[in-house]
Amino acid sequence: DIMMTQSPDSLAVSLGERATINCKSSQSVFYSSNNNNYLAWYQQKPGQPPKLLFYWASTRESGVPDRFRGSGSGTDFTLTISSLQAEDVAVYYCQQYYATPYTFGQGTKLEIK
Amino acid sequence: QVQLVESGGGLVRPGGSLRLSCAASGFTFSDYFINWIRQAPGKGLEWVSYISGSSSSTNYADSVKGRFTISRDNAKNSLYLQMNSLRAEDTAVYYCARGDSMRAAALGYWGQGTLVTVSS
Repeated sequence: DIMMTQSPDSLAVSLGERATINCKSSQSVFYSSNNNNYLAWYQQKPGQPPKLLFYWASTRESGVPDRFRGSGSGTDFTLTISSLQAEDVAVYYCQQYYATPYTFGQGTKLEIK
Repeated sequence: QVQLVESGGGLVRPGGSLRLSCAASGFTFSDYFINWIRQAPGKGLEWVSYISGSSSSTNYADSVKGRFTISRDNAKNSLYLQMNSLRAEDTAVYYCARGDSMRAAALGYWGQGTLVTVSS
């Protein structure tokens, strides 16, 4: 199984400041035949299902604000929020869909400092 | 618009069985793989199973293999999860979720979930 490890587990950032969440996979999730990283990012707010933010590591889902950015390749990925807003308080998960079992990171809880 | 609505959750004793359903609308159901994802209270997300549009392909997490069975009825636009030999560690909110050809198994559509509690 591909293990996904996020860091940090929790993060407190001031409004307007940058937030950075890292995700590392135990093996590469890059598929060279189509040049894609099989990595997604989700945002989950309390009492709600997860919301897809990025797929193919860096393709922003429709409607996701451009202050969110997904980056990385191979085994190391980053979700960056350039200027934190109050509505960004949530738990963020990465997920690999390169191979089953599809696996998620343990989650990073983002709060306002 | 795409809608996924889970039902069938509840309280069940260890060793018991439960059948979850997911009613789909707003898209051609038979064209899509559908997944079950679960989330234990206060914990992270765990992929459980998927089924292809034609039901020809299924896959399960090791933690449920041999106990859970995924199925679908395309005529009824419905997905099912038959859960047998339930354990306390199966307690979770169960979501059905869908990807698509553009996103592969990145899950862009989720239901609201149904809570399964396994307890004596």
